[in-house]
Amino acid sequence: DGGITQSPKYLFRKEGQNVTLSCEQNLNHDAMYWYRQDPGQGLRLIYYSQIVNDFQKGDIAEGYSVSREKKESFPLTVTSAQKNPTAFYLCASRLTGGSSYEQYFGPGTRLTVT
Amino acid sequence: GENVEQHPSTLSVQEGDSAVIKCTYSDSASNYFPWYKQELGKRPQLIIDIRSNVGEKKDQRIAVTLNKTAKHFSLHITETQPEDSAVYFCAASRALVSGSTLGRLYFGRGTQLTVWP
Repeated sequence: DGGITQSPKYLFRKEGQNVTLSCEQNLNHDAMYWYRQDPGQGLRLIYYSQIVNDFQKGDIAEGYSVSREKKESFPLTVTSAQKNPTAFYLCASRLTGGSSYEQYFGPGTRLTVT
Repeated sequence: GENVEQHPSTLSVQEGDSAVIKCTYSDSASNYFPWYKQELGKRPQLIIDIRSNVGEKKDQRIAVTLNKTAKHFSLHITETQPEDSAVYFCAASRALVSGSTLGRLYFGRGTQLTVWP
């Protein structure tokens, strides 16, 4: 499974509630990423982190927040400010340095907000 | 930033035929180009990648070609099989000369490939 887990697989929330998506990896990867996937839109980058306690906004960061307190963990909070939060969310990680540039993806969390 | 365009958005082929998916990129400094395959309901998985110091790379039935001058790269799948049916994503990124990648990936919008038996 690539050593990246996301939980839960399906998540349902009412509009106006914040929700946190979990992403954990045991690959000792330095960099971690959050993507949002909508039909026909491809993979859009929300936030990414190269090292612990540091992260950068991606292309669609508005309405989302992250933290990187541990190397293994990169949780994503979808806030009530996100106007259209229903989507499939993918977490990824990779090792910085070395000869491989591959990003490994988690299984994803499908969030539905009603 | 980088802009990656991918075509076509959908592609249907008969089993045994070849499939070609094309991508263009805008940043001449991009030098790493991976292709990911995502089956329905599953996570994207890397199937092949190419770096800017080579023009072509093959792995069994799949190959990728890169034209740096035209800022264009393509995925070629030969002898397609029904299990090749999936969404394919191209991406582009910068990597430092030293080999460590600090750049993020920029993805195309994906191509839904359907292989009919």
